[in-house]
Amino acid sequence: KQEVTQIPAALSVPEGENLVLNCSFTDSAIYNLQWFRQDPGKGLTSLLLIQSSQREQTSGRLNASLDKSSGRSTLYIAASQPGDSATYLCAVPNDYKLSFGAGTTVTVRA
Amino acid sequence: GAVVSQHPSRVICKSGTSVKIECRSLDFQATTMFWYRQFPKQSLMLMATSNEGSKATYEQGVEKDKFLINHASLTLSTLTVTSAHPEDSSFYICSASGRTSSYNSPLHFGNGTRLTVT
Repeated sequence: KQEVTQIPAALSVPEGENLVLNCSFTDSAIYNLQWFRQDPGKGLTSLLLIQSSQREQTSGRLNASLDKSSGRSTLYIAASQPGDSATYLCAVPNDYKLSFGAGTTVTVRA
Repeated sequence: GAVVSQHPSRVICKSGTSVKIECRSLDFQATTMFWYRQFPKQSLMLMATSNEGSKATYEQGVEKDKFLINHASLTLSTLTVTSAHPEDSSFYICSASGRTSSYNSPLHFGNGTRLTVT
């Protein structure tokens, strides 16, 4: 059974600092890994989808790395802004469905 | 990008009544839709998977007679919470995929529905 863990559960940083969010998974035989953003009381917005053959994927200030052998992915957010405050979740396919981590709630202080 | 619309965003109902939540894919044909439930500060828990024109597949522990799912068209799936009780209060989110598998295909999510049963 695939289990996805995200540590820390919460993170507070001053504006401008780089963010590093961690995601680990127990079964390294994954097809891809996806990072999502969730604002309070809202659904999920897909940020990055990194395929199993890729080591990283970038979109603007976001960069996601994937190390399948160690069962880890890291989401980097450069030069954080107050608008980056949200919960970030990672997810991996598990059979026909996605297994989600519990998320890391980020607060960027102005 | 692909848009999934979920309605209503909030609903308050009395115990014993039924509530219907709609999930629509606005600019693509969703062959598969997923319904999730999320408790505060917890991850999303998959409740059921529905493929257009067939019966939904429910996850273990989810009562199919309580959470009725209909996926009658390629753009609409509905979740009906029947005889709702306070413990059904939660945040429900749908997602849709244009393929029958989530592999290599990003999922698109609705904005969720906050259900409160009094």
